Amino acid sequence: DTEVTQTPKHLVMGMTNKKSLKCEQHMGHRAMYWYKQKAKKPPELMFVYSYEKLSINESVPSRFSPECPNSSLLNLHLHALQPEDSALYLCASSRDSGAGTDTQYFGPGTRLTVL
Amino acid sequence: GENVEQHPSTLSVQEGDSAVIKCTYSDSASNYFPWYKQELGKRPQLIIDIRSNVGEKKDQRIAVTLNKTAKHFSLHITETQPEDSAVYFCAASSYGTGNQFYFGTGTSLTVIP
Repeated sequence: DTEVTQTPKHLVMGMTNKKSLKCEQHMGHRAMYWYKQKAKKPPELMFVYSYEKLSINESVPSRFSPECPNSSLLNLHLHALQPEDSALYLCASSRDSGAGTDTQYFGPGTRLTVL
Repeated sequence: GENVEQHPSTLSVQEGDSAVIKCTYSDSASNYFPWYKQELGKRPQLIIDIRSNVGEKKDQRIAVTLNKTAKHFSLHITETQPEDSAVYFCAASSYGTGNQFYFGTGTSLTVIP
């Protein structure tokens, strides 16, 4: 399996809802990422997990809560979101060689709309 | 931290012509430079990458050149086809960035049939 998968593909939620995004990879990668992307803009890094430990949190509001239950799975728990959080949420994974030269492979994304 | 600039922001070419997109970076420690293509509604897909121990890499109609002295790298697409129409992002990373990519702002390429 050489792909990163994400569920759901689309999500509509109200500002008081709690929902979760899921990401999975079976490439043996040990680094996993969450990005937020607005239309025609580059992906913005939110979180990086390295060997199942949170290594980077780009000052993301606490209404976004990441979780890495094991080396293949990455979740993003959402609570009390704002309409401006509507975006495409991308997951990515890479080897974690420590050299800084590892290719990141992206999932198809979850299109999130907050009403 | 690293700063990556990308130009142009939009590019229109006639089918069969070449397209060139340029990125500059600020951190001399950066040593990995991938290029991603993102079609509307799809995921970013790696199309080519280059590491700092080489100056040029080619894959069929796509090539990337790297000038470490000037701190810039470029994507070259020859014999463009309508299916090359997409947004292209460059990125840079290094050993010290903790797996973090610094993305350019993107180039929207339109190939006119």
